[in-house]
Amino acid sequence: KAGVTQTPRYLIKTRGQQVTLSCSPISGHRSVSWYQQTPGQGLQFLFEYFSETQRNKGNFPGRFSGRQFSNSRSEMNVSTLELGDSALYLCASRHGTARSYEQYFGPGTRLTVT
Amino acid sequence: KNEVEQSPQNLTAQEGEFITINCSYSVGISALHWLQQHPGGGIVSLFMLSSGKKKHGRLIATINIQEKHSSLHITASHPRDSAVYICAVRKGDYGGSQGNLIFGKGTKLSVKP
Repeated sequence: KAGVTQTPRYLIKTRGQQVTLSCSPISGHRSVSWYQQTPGQGLQFLFEYFSETQRNKGNFPGRFSGRQFSNSRSEMNVSTLELGDSALYLCASRHGTARSYEQYFGPGTRLTVT
Repeated sequence: KNEVEQSPQNLTAQEGEFITINCSYSVGISALHWLQQHPGGGIVSLFMLSSGKKKHGRLIATINIQEKHSSLHITASHPRDSAVYICAVRKGDYGGSQGNLIFGKGTKLSVKP
């Protein structure tokens, strides 16, 4: 089975622009979560989608949004980029129950905002 | 104070040594995860624990719910174990969501040959 894929892998944007990142989960996985990783804050949860519904959202401003399609692929969007949005954005897909599941991470998209 | 604390922050070991990384948390949890992140960013999920102990190869993870503490042990360490190890706790009770995952800052392990 192919792993979790994320595109693009690297991205450079300018302040004020917007960006869309894509995540394709492992085939059969219906849950996709997004995380932001920065040197200062470490890993932080952004949001989780299951069967096209957002199940939970982390403590991020409304500039961060996402969606999931019927094939479980997910996108996240950041509008009006700020320098502080420079980070590694990771998505993960999982299967199993809430009590026991396997989670698989993608390689991440490294976003640099200048 | 962070809700999830890891120690040590950095660890250097010689090949073959037994390694322990600690994670303490201050909130009620339903599960604790150990993750491994290699240079370049890729993250691998090592363990998900809600009680007791789990073993996979040379890796052992334990959790003491009463003491709010977990340890990750690596036996017979090898240079390929060099990575950042991250502890994450799932706050609250089971709800099917990852929304309340709180991460530690990570422990950077370097194993010298």
